[in-house]
Amino acid sequence: DAKTTQPPSMDCAEGRAANLPCNHSTISGNEYVYWYRQIHSQGPQYIIHGLKNNETNEMASLIITEDRKSSTLILPHATLRDTAVYYCIVILSGGGADGLTFGKGTHLIIQP
Amino acid sequence: KAGVTQTPRYLIKTRGQQVTLSCSPISGHRSVSWYQQTPGQGLQFLFEYFSETQRNKGNFPGRFSGRQFSNSRSEMNVSTLELGDSALYLCASSLGSGGAPDTQYFGPGTRLTVL
Repeated sequence: DAKTTQPPSMDCAEGRAANLPCNHSTISGNEYVYWYRQIHSQGPQYIIHGLKNNETNEMASLIITEDRKSSTLILPHATLRDTAVYYCIVILSGGGADGLTFGKGTHLIIQP
Repeated sequence: KAGVTQTPRYLIKTRGQQVTLSCSPISGHRSVSWYQQTPGQGLQFLFEYFSETQRNKGNFPGRFSGRQFSNSRSEMNVSTLELGDSALYLCASSLGSGGAPDTQYFGPGTRLTVL
């Protein structure tokens, strides 16, 4: 699976859009970009995934660049409950033979 | 649909004891994966079960074992507990049917403390 690079931390004001970047320059054509988040000591929560096209669901939007080498997760109206570590991963499908692997992720802190 | 559930949520054991953790997947999901998460090692894959068979296995000693029942519920067992087994144990379920992508959904985890 391709590796990803994320900033270690970010701040965002409550009510504003939080834009979390992720670089995955070695992604292959059939690998998906997935985003999960984890609030302290809770299980990771699936947010969204995409292959080539931009995606939107009730939680967030995922913007993938045309060359697929980077993506941005957008939380449109951040709330204090969005404070969490956000993980961007690139996987062929599901967990595969070695399961999912999370990097350090981005610690997003929403400021009141 | 109800999400993935795990029991118990918290557990305290002493060295040498054994422990059994339980996971109920999302209805219709046939694959259950188990992970260990610690601050130092991050998320580590233990094993995956599909249709009552272990399909994939991570690099953990034989003290860690699991099984899956016909209703897709799964248990994992850790025998002869060591201090280093203290961790958050996570269960994740997915359809497991082989179609891409096969999104994993995590449960809340079981926090195991070994004294």
